[in-house]
Amino acid sequence: EPEVTQTPSHQVTQMGQEVILRCVPISNHLYFYWYRQILGQKVEFLVSFYNNEISEKSEIFDDQFSVERPDGSNFTLKIRSTKLEDSAMYFCAIRSSRSSYNSPLHFGNGTRLTVT
Amino acid sequence: AQTVTQSQPEMSVQEAETVTLSCTYDTSESDYYLFWYKQPPSRQMILVIRQEAYKQQNATENRFSVNFQKAAKSFSLKISDSQLGDAAMYFCAFTFNYQLIWGAGTKLIIKP
Repeated sequence: EPEVTQTPSHQVTQMGQEVILRCVPISNHLYFYWYRQILGQKVEFLVSFYNNEISEKSEIFDDQFSVERPDGSNFTLKIRSTKLEDSAMYFCAIRSSRSSYNSPLHFGNGTRLTVT
Repeated sequence: AQTVTQSQPEMSVQEAETVTLSCTYDTSESDYYLFWYKQPPSRQMILVIRQEAYKQQNATENRFSVNFQKAAKSFSLKISDSQLGDAAMYFCAFTFNYQLIWGAGTKLIIKP
């Protein structure tokens, strides 16, 4: 089973501040996802990232959000100027092969972001 | 539109009993995949079971099994011999265009 480590596990930030959430897969993977889950609500797709570029993004993923793989392994989600409504659990997920969309996603343990 | 509906916000079951969580979905695709994920209080997302739509045989994983009715677009999860560790939110999800479309979740409570 592929493993994904997310850091930090909990981030508290003030409104308007920038945050960077990190995702580190244990082995090389090509296809990455970010999801978020506002407390008590359903899981929402944010963005998918393949071969160092964004494949798809949702309406939630506006100009405040960006993703990158700065060193070829870490995969980051940046929120430039956080808002109260960005408070949520953010999950990174990986899929080992783009051609196998039947393969399940493997999730990290999530980062709980609290914006005050 | 691709949608997943979980009509039971909360279910409870006595320990050691069997419980079934319902899930229906809507898609025009013919080849797709369905999943059940478990989210315990720790808020991890853990894959429980998956089903390929082209397979008629229902998937099973130990105490977990599904009842997949393709024509009815139904994908229920049965948990046999429920254990306290099964208490969690359960999300049904459907793969479309490399994304997962999620249901709203069912909270499962296990009574000791």
